[in-house]
Order: sequence, then C-alpha cells, then structure tokens
Amino acid sequence: SQKIEQNSEALNIQEGKTATLTCNYTNYSPAYLQWYRQDPGRGPVFLLLIRENEKEKRKERLKVTFDTTLKQSLFHITASQPADSATYLCASRTETGANNLFFGTGTRLTVIP
Amino acid sequence: NAGVTQTPKFRVLKTGQSMTLLCAQDMNHEYMYWYRQDPGMGLRLIHYSVGEGTTAKGEVPDGYNVSRLKKQNFLLGLESAAPSQTSVYFCASSTWDSNQPQHFGDGTRLSIL
Repeated sequence: SQKIEQNSEALNIQEGKTATLTCNYTNYSPAYLQWYRQDPGRGPVFLLLIRENEKEKRKERLKVTFDTTLKQSLFHITASQPADSATYLCASRTETGANNLFFGTGTRLTVIP
Repeated sequence: NAGVTQTPKFRVLKTGQSMTLLCAQDMNHEYMYWYRQDPGMGLRLIHYSVGEGTTAKGEVPDGYNVSRLKKQNFLLGLESAAPSQTSVYFCASSTWDSNQPQHFGDGTRLSIL
C-alpha cells in the first residue's frame, strides 16, 4: 500500500541556518505533494504544493523540491527564525476517492535563538 | 471569513456515551473531511463527503458515522464512545480541484474515560 514517511520526528536548528525536512514515499507515484505547517493546538495550514513535473517550488523563504527518481521531497526553510518552530507535514493524494490526502507523521522543527 | 469552525473544542465522555462533532465551513467548498490525529500516527481520514447528501468511508471509519445535510456542515457522530476513540479530531474542506489545498479547523480534543 502507498506509504509516506517523514524520517525525522524532530529537528533542532540554530536561528539563521537553513532547515531541511525530508518526505519519502513508497509503493506509488504521487501526482503532487503538499506541505503543511501545524502549530500546537491548531489545525494544519497549507504552505506549498509541488507537482511531479516540477523540480522546485519557492515561496518567500520556503523551497520545496520533488525528486521522482529518489521518491523524495525536500522542504527547506532558509534564514530560519524562532517563529518557524512548528510541526511540518507532508501529504499526497491517495489512490482512492475525491481529493483525499495521505499524511506523513510530521517533523517537529525547533529553531533555537 | 471564519474558514472552518469546529465545535466543541474540548469534550470528555464516558465509555458508551454518544456525541456529535460539528464542522462548519463558509468557503462554499464541495468537499469536506473528518480526520483523527494521534501521536505517532499522523492524520488519518475517517469519512469524507464530495457534496451535500453524500458521504464515504475513509481509512478508519469504524465506530463513526457522518452526515452532510447541508453543504456548509459536516457532522461526525460517535454512537457508543470507546477509549480508543480518544484523539484530536480535525475537519477540513476543499474545492473539487485536486490542485487546491485542504483548509482545516483547529480541532476537537476528545477524551473517552
């Protein structure tokens, strides 16, 4: 069955550095991947979507890549700030039904001042 | 715009009790979803709806029922609550366009004693 994995449960990084989060998928070929941010006690908030024919997508300090050979997406936050501390979720469309999404378990990022 | 609103925000139930979680969206979205989020498991789809009057099962539907009598509302029911249903429940909505993201509420924290 399709599987999406975010290998790092937690990542600590110094303020100003670039944070890189990984999302790996197996047993399927998603047409796109989505990245969401989730703060404690809040629902996920959409950040970026990257399609399989796009190598890279940028939005302000955020960059997402999609490597169909490695079956992997990387999510980068440049010049990280303490306000970037949150859990980041990777998601892709499921093989069944509507626009249903299948989520990874998330990576909790902490940016240390 | 309020987006997606979930009520209640917190609830404690005893085993065997029933309750209904309400989700309302004001974005005129066709699709609506109910997820549960548990530590280490990520978001898992319970039920979803692609339009008023329609519902379908997701990944973990057992023990839950749903109804979508009005386009803007999606109700999640627990007929006989069990401790295994202790979780954080999130509602989301989206348009029919698979390239568009899902919009989430801030969740209902439910404890079953």
